[in-house]
Amino acid sequence: AQSVTQPDIHITVSEGASLELRCNYSYGATPYLFWYVQSPGQGLQLLLKYFSGDTLVQGIKGFEAEFKRSQSSFNLRKPSVHWSDAAEYFCAVGAMSDMRFGAGTRLTVKP
Amino acid sequence: NAGVTQTPKFQVLKTGQSMTLQCAQDMNHEYMSWYRQDPGMGLRLIHYSVGAGITDQGEVPNGYNVSRSTTEDFPLRLLSAAPSQTSVYFCASSYGRLGGYTFGSGTRLTVV
Repeated sequence: AQSVTQPDIHITVSEGASLELRCNYSYGATPYLFWYVQSPGQGLQLLLKYFSGDTLVQGIKGFEAEFKRSQSSFNLRKPSVHWSDAAEYFCAVGAMSDMRFGAGTRLTVKP
Repeated sequence: NAGVTQTPKFQVLKTGQSMTLQCAQDMNHEYMSWYRQDPGMGLRLIHYSVGAGITDQGEVPNGYNVSRSTTEDFPLRLLSAAPSQTSVYFCASSYGRLGGYTFGSGTRLTVV
């Protein structure tokens, strides 16, 4: 069965520092991969998605993610974090009938 | 555009009561889903629909019913509320099967 692991429950970075959030997946076929962001009390917003093609995917708000099939990973990166990036981030894999979400990584940004 | 609208935002139920969580989207999306979010568990799929008149079960369907009589609306019914159903419920819609979701802002449900 498909699954998603986000190894880091909570990450703290300084404003202006780079960020990498880890995501590992297990999926039987070609994976469809997503990153979402959730601000407190809000729904999830799609940051980016990967279906096929170029393994480096650009998203909104300056985020990017790299698909590495050999490592079953889809890590999210941002070169310079802003205070407004503080939120919870979810990785997801699958199509709508079998989509699985990770447990989330909470990002704290220090001034 | 309103996107995906969920009502109510908050609800407290007594064990055994029934209720319907409402979800409406105005983007003409074919695909709609209901998820529950619990601490440390991410989101889990309850039910989904690929179009009007078509629904199917997700990962955690027990205790919930859905119907899809129109493209716009996808209500979730709790038949007999239990404390284990205390959660935050999200409705989401997508233009295609593989498209990223647009989520509503959620309904926080407490069952006492």
